[in-house]
Amino acid sequence: GENVEQHPSTLSVQEGDSAVIKCTYSDSASNYFPWYKQELGKGSQLIIDIRSNVGEKKDQRIAVTLNKTAKHFSLHITETQPEDSAVYFCAEPRGSQGNLIFGKGTKLSVKP
Amino acid sequence: DAGITQSPRYKITETGRQVTLMCHQTWSHSYMFWYRQDLGHGLRLIYYSAAADITDKGEVPDGYVVSRSKTENFPLTLESATRSQTSVYFCASSADGMNTEAFFGQGTRLTVV
Repeated sequence: GENVEQHPSTLSVQEGDSAVIKCTYSDSASNYFPWYKQELGKGSQLIIDIRSNVGEKKDQRIAVTLNKTAKHFSLHITETQPEDSAVYFCAEPRGSQGNLIFGKGTKLSVKP
Repeated sequence: DAGITQSPRYKITETGRQVTLMCHQTWSHSYMFWYRQDLGHGLRLIYYSAAADITDKGEVPDGYVVSRSKTENFPLTLESATRSQTSVYFCASSADGMNTEAFFGQGTRLTVV
């Protein structure tokens, strides 16, 4: 099946700036869109997710927006901090079991 | 300790050998998954299991075998390891399938020489 397209592959920002990572999915029937954060040497952790009945969800400094018409969803991190440095993955459920298909990841570096 | 644990954390094996990666979770989650992570590919699903004794192929199952005789364990076996199977392997579990939060283990870095 098609990958979930994720951009950019690397992103470097200054502490305090905002970071935006965008994903494009392929299945218009998909209704759940999670974002995972992977810190160096660790497994991935869910940081935020959105379901298709809403267009935006916010949790403190992170937010996710969903554009169902364009089949895009984006992760927004405001007031970035060095501890935000990690690899971020978007995902889309596929098939009858809803198995997650991940994007290729974005390596975010926040420079102090 | 509660959670999901993988063993070993690091493994070096020779081409052609059989190697088994272990995964154990303490939440009694129904679903368990194996992913491999490679540079430029992100996380790719190898196999998944919806319950004990139920397993199914993911995106990249060739060369791998899984079993799930108990809910809490989901071992992944490479029957005859190849260099292309050098990767970081992640096990994950989920209560209700992948439309809900998945919890990942810390990964096993496997090198096939």
